Amino acid sequence: RKEVEQDPGPFNVPEGATVAFNCTYSNSASQSFFWYRQDCRKEPKLLMSVYSSGNEDGRFTAQLNRASQYISLLIRDSKLSDSATYLCVVPGTGGFKTIFGAGTRLFVKA
Amino acid sequence: NAGVTQTPKFQVLKTGQSMTLQCAQDMNHNSMYWYRQDPGMGLRLIYYSASEGTTDKGEVPNGYNVSRLNKREFSLRLESAAPSQTSVYFCASSEVPAYNEQFFGPGTRLTVL
Repeated sequence: RKEVEQDPGPFNVPEGATVAFNCTYSNSASQSFFWYRQDCRKEPKLLMSVYSSGNEDGRFTAQLNRASQYISLLIRDSKLSDSATYLCVVPGTGGFKTIFGAGTRLFVKA
Repeated sequence: NAGVTQTPKFQVLKTGQSMTLQCAQDMNHNSMYWYRQDPGMGLRLIYYSASEGTTDKGEVPNGYNVSRLNKREFSLRLESAAPSQTSVYFCASSEVPAYNEQFFGPGTRLTVL
């Protein structure tokens, strides 16, 4: 298994839809996880941290399943402005390294 | 408060030329990172500096060197550019390594012909 793998995408959804992305990881010792958002030709920016069982921020919910070693990101009531690439991030071995997933592209259409 | 700044924003090199990418942060962060991003491959760590005075190799260090000039600045050097180094390069910083948010610069788009 790769250190981190994401749903391939792209996801094309209408405004108002609920969409979920998954991210699997291989390092069972990982304690902290992140979702970043990256707009086209821009830098990644932190969307949410996932430290324990999960985290919720408005329309966004991130969940962690340690037994199956995956994290998920749920977006409710999708907006056009949610169109972006979502990157899953997990700590790598050695403490100082972080491993980024290849990203899942989301297109929200009117 | 500019956050993380990178120069240049765009660069075209010929094979064999050298150049240095500059990165600076004004958030008093201890750790700094250099990544490259290629289509379909996500961000890959080239080098990182856990604190001032230290640097370590990441996942793809070959062909690159780094210098942590001081707490604010972390530069990436390509000694002899190759077409395989065509990529978007991002610098990032964080308070402590791995367990906190990383703040990214706007990136440098490098093309090696």
